[in-house]
Amino acid sequence: ILNVEQSPQSLHVQEGDSTNFTCSFPSSNFYALHWYRWETAKSPEALFVMTLNGDEKKKGRISATLNTKEGYSYLYIKGSQPEDSATYLCAFPGGTTDSWGKLQFGAGTQVVVTP
Amino acid sequence: DTEVTQTPKHLVMGMTNKKSLKCEQHMGHRAMYWYKQKAKKPPELMFVYSYEKLSINESVPSRFSPECPNSSLLNLHLHALQPEDSALYLCASSQGSGTGIQPQHFGDGTRLSIL
Repeated sequence: ILNVEQSPQSLHVQEGDSTNFTCSFPSSNFYALHWYRWETAKSPEALFVMTLNGDEKKKGRISATLNTKEGYSYLYIKGSQPEDSATYLCAFPGGTTDSWGKLQFGAGTQVVVTP
Repeated sequence: DTEVTQTPKHLVMGMTNKKSLKCEQHMGHRAMYWYKQKAKKPPELMFVYSYEKLSINESVPSRFSPECPNSSLLNLHLHALQPEDSALYLCASSQGSGTGIQPQHFGDGTRLSIL
């Protein structure tokens, strides 16, 4: 089992504020890192799949960076809105060529944006 | 609307019942997945199908029996389940053979309760 950790476990953010949180993963044998957003009563939604060290991806007000050498990724939300309230999950594919399809999920960061 | 459709949305069954969960996608994806998610925990992979062949079984008890009749359909047959099997069961699909680089597209899940 790969150790994928997310911190903090939860965040309360005022509407309009920016925030960020972390996903840590094993830096050896890196393959890819996934970010998903999971709103209550909906299905998890893919945000990004990141593969290159130094990669930075953006989707609207959400962006992510990747550091494969030190084993972490940051997710940023700029100007948080109530609709950003969700649990944000990162996931790391299995560490062998036979198990790349296996995503090991972190426990998630629950973000609550209050007006 | 999700592009991965799961039925039923809710299922209550006794420990001696036999039931099936269904998942359908029409995105041409060739990898399909079953996950189990318990409250306040991340999704845990159960099975991966790649090109309609079972490629990963995460040591799931035999009371769960997956089936992939064609590239668009994925079933999970349930028999003699235990109360601890009560959970949200998520289906997902991705392009390619499930290599871990493509994002996964999730259904809304089936909420299963075992009496």
